Amino acid sequence: QLQLQESGPGLVKSSETLSLTCPVSGGSISSSSHYWGWIRQPPGKGLEWIGSIYYSGTTYYNPSLKSRVTISVDTSKNQFSLNLSSVTAADTAVYYCARHGGVDWNYGLFDYWGQGTLVTVSS
Amino acid sequence: QTVVTQEPSFSVSPGGTVTLTCGLSSGSVSTSYHPSWYQQIPGQAPRTLIYNTNTRSSGVPDRFSGSILGNKAALTITGAQADDECSYYCVLYMGSGIVVFGGGTKLTVL
Repeated sequence: QLQLQESGPGLVKSSETLSLTCPVSGGSISSSSHYWGWIRQPPGKGLEWIGSIYYSGTTYYNPSLKSRVTISVDTSKNQFSLNLSSVTAADTAVYYCARHGGVDWNYGLFDYWGQGTLVTVSS
Repeated sequence: QTVVTQEPSFSVSPGGTVTLTCGLSSGSVSTSYHPSWYQQIPGQAPRTLIYNTNTRSSGVPDRFSGSILGNKAALTITGAQADDECSYYCVLYMGSGIVVFGGGTKLTVL
């Protein structure tokens, strides 16, 4: 059974960089059929896709966050990571990592999710 | 920027049928957007219900169905149950590796 688990600081200071890692167990991140994505959810609000990465390093980002987001992959450690720079209180959210499909018809199929981790941005 | 629209809230009677929709701020939703639907219970990660417009994810009961109705994607729940009371999100594929989540619909069963 594939498992993902977000890890990283739960508290980040305003203007600094939020960094999270998502180790993948029970399967290979080098799957040719899947992308690996980050999604966030501010408290009491809806879900927002941040971006995704393929094992080769190809990335796609939400245009509204693109200037501040970097997603990377480490196939040797079977994990992928998120960096979000210049954070503000508006970036306070539960951050999820997830696996999704790699072709048009299943690209929106996020089939395995981490449990989520709350990151609070403090001033 | 494209906005994916959903009803903020909806209510249904136990045993009833409800259709939630997923539209675009500009334009129509078609199968080309490969809509998917997620169910989220508070405090939990989302669960996939439907992908590629109308394909049920493994283990999802057949009282959940997806379709295109007019110019929107639709999720229909038949025989609503108390534990269907939670939030539902649609996702549209915009092409070029971009997906957008709808704002979500909070469903009440009463």
